[in-house]
Amino acid sequence: GIQVEQSPPDLILQEGANSTLRCNFSDSVNNLQWFHQNPWGQLINLFYIPSGTKQNGRLSATTVATERYSLLYISSSQTTDSGVYFCAGESNDYKLSFGAGTTVTVRA
Amino acid sequence: DTEVTQTPKHLVMGMTNKKSLKCEQHMGHRAMYWYKQKAKKPPELMFVYSYEKLSINESVPSRFSPECPNSSLLNLHLHALQPEDSALYLCASSQVAISSYNEQFFGPGTRLTVL
Repeated sequence: GIQVEQSPPDLILQEGANSTLRCNFSDSVNNLQWFHQNPWGQLINLFYIPSGTKQNGRLSATTVATERYSLLYISSSQTTDSGVYFCAGESNDYKLSFGAGTTVTVRA
Repeated sequence: DTEVTQTPKHLVMGMTNKKSLKCEQHMGHRAMYWYKQKAKKPPELMFVYSYEKLSINESVPSRFSPECPNSSLLNLHLHALQPEDSALYLCASSQVAISSYNEQFFGPGTRLTVL
């Protein structure tokens, strides 16, 4: 599988703040997904975004496939946004490889 | 309905026990996956089934035995596990495995403890 690097590893935010999470990948991807893992372990699909820009409420994502990176934007953060955010990419081997994750803590 | 279900939610077993994890999806997907996730680590792929046939085995020890009885069901049979196999086991599904569009949807996981 491809190598996926996420930054930063940890992020502490005050409620209402904005933030950007980054994902770099080692090879071109056919599939790029962002997930939020809640404290109970459930992986929640945020975006399927191999290229382009998408928005869903306070979250948006941009993937620049030619430069092999993706960004996840969180605006007006809330305590419910806390958790681990994973980026995962799939190349021509059809195996989804995950980054190490960014642990986000939003303080009230 | 974009839902993948897994049972049981929690499982405690001894090293000599035999148990099974179950996964079900009703999205009409033809690819199903097992992942293993250790604490504070990302999920790691174990197996991929495509059209009910095993297509990828990531060199998983034989004490883990997957089975796909039909397109909606995926089992993981466990036997003679070790304490280091304790982890969260996640099931996922997607429309097809070998495709340029392959968004995966995950179940809530089974938290396994091996004593």
